Amino acid sequence: DTEVTQTPKHLVMGMTNKKSLKCEQHMGHRAMYWYKQKAKKPPELMFVYSYEKLSINESVPSRFSPECPNSSLLNLHLHALQPEDSALYLCASSQLLSYEQYFGPGTRLTVT
Amino acid sequence: QQQVKQSPQSLIVQKGGISIINCAYENTAFDYFPWYQQFPGKGPALLIAIRPDVSEKKEGRFTISFNKSAKQFSLHIMDSQPGDSATYFCAASILNGNKLVFGAGTILRVKS
Repeated sequence: DTEVTQTPKHLVMGMTNKKSLKCEQHMGHRAMYWYKQKAKKPPELMFVYSYEKLSINESVPSRFSPECPNSSLLNLHLHALQPEDSALYLCASSQLLSYEQYFGPGTRLTVT
Repeated sequence: QQQVKQSPQSLIVQKGGISIINCAYENTAFDYFPWYQQFPGKGPALLIAIRPDVSEKKEGRFTISFNKSAKQFSLHIMDSQPGDSATYFCAASILNGNKLVFGAGTILRVKS
């Protein structure tokens, strides 16, 4: 099974709201990733967790806050977002860092 | 040096034809080259991947050709079907490296 699940599928939030995106995998993968994808563009790496520790932050604004509660779960906490943050947010996981990344279906985020 | 250049930007192929998408890279340290298929509103799905120790890998109708000396790799879709219509991304990474580097993507449309 190579499934990564993400909730919610769609999210609309105001600029003053606080919300969270959730990601789960049960493949025993030890690396998990958050990506942001704009229309007609490739995924853009935001954060990487390796063995539940944050290993890469691609200079993402502090209004995005990742959390890895355990080896199967990854959260992305959102606060005071801007309309330009509207995008498809993708979670991925892999056994080895950077190899064979499996993506979830994504959360379509709209910031109003 | 971290870039992966992908062409063409879009491609229209008749049903039953061969779709060919090309990618080129500069960083000779890359040692893993996956291709992802993405349908609208969905996350990218790992399609096929190759390591630089082989020149070709085939899985069903999908073949990766790899030319290490030219630093190029390509995806061939044989007997293209309308269901193959999607966006295809090539990518490259280094084992335990910091990120998967994506090409810009190719929008494939297979006409029936």
